[in-house]
Amino acid sequence: GAGVSQSPRYKVAKRGQDVALRCDPISGHVSLFWYQQALGQGPEFLTYFQNEAQLDKSGLPSDRFFAERPEGSVSTLKIQRTQQEDSAVYLCASSSRLAGVNIQYFGAGTRLSVL
Amino acid sequence: GQQLNQSPQSMFIQEGEDVSMNCTSSSIFNTWLWYKQDPGEGPVLLIALYKAGELTSNGRLTAQFGITRKDSFLNISASIPSDVGIYFCAGPLTGTASKLTFGTGTRLQVTL
Repeated sequence: GAGVSQSPRYKVAKRGQDVALRCDPISGHVSLFWYQQALGQGPEFLTYFQNEAQLDKSGLPSDRFFAERPEGSVSTLKIQRTQQEDSAVYLCASSSRLAGVNIQYFGAGTRLSVL
Repeated sequence: GQQLNQSPQSMFIQEGEDVSMNCTSSSIFNTWLWYKQDPGEGPVLLIALYKAGELTSNGRLTAQFGITRKDSFLNISASIPSDVGIYFCAGPLTGTASKLTFGTGTRLQVTL
């Protein structure tokens, strides 16, 4: 498609459930990012892939969070044993290099509510 | 936590008015980006700035990269109702290559 696509748009989970969030980046974009956006806040970095390699996962809040991009295209963010504090919008972005700088294009996000 | 502070936090203006908002940091940035986020959507890039002192326009929007590299300003002229949304400044911290740090956001509401 023309933009970054994320699914599902909304996810409600019971505390303790595992969830998987999907991101389809813009075709041909090498870099892919995941961000977490709490209500009323700006997005905060979680992790970054270049092709299939996860180059930075410093923003993942705990070992319950895991991301993969096995073929260098679609990515999945998995959260195990969800907690209420995981409730947030999860944004995916992909980027291309323009004038020597990576410009990131964002999807609409997945809103996760943990009950 | 976030290291970019935006002001004002929110603003109500009348259609046709000009708007100014700014973003400050305790750290140096080599690139400044301004994004707009509508409810239920992801951030959309408005303007990118690459050099200290740079002034760049995109239609009714004008942004400047502060000379100290620790601040940036966004101006919107002759506001219209579709300017409503949250405006975020963002940039990659020096040495972090790609990951963006976002500001706290400025919520803009336009009344007729």
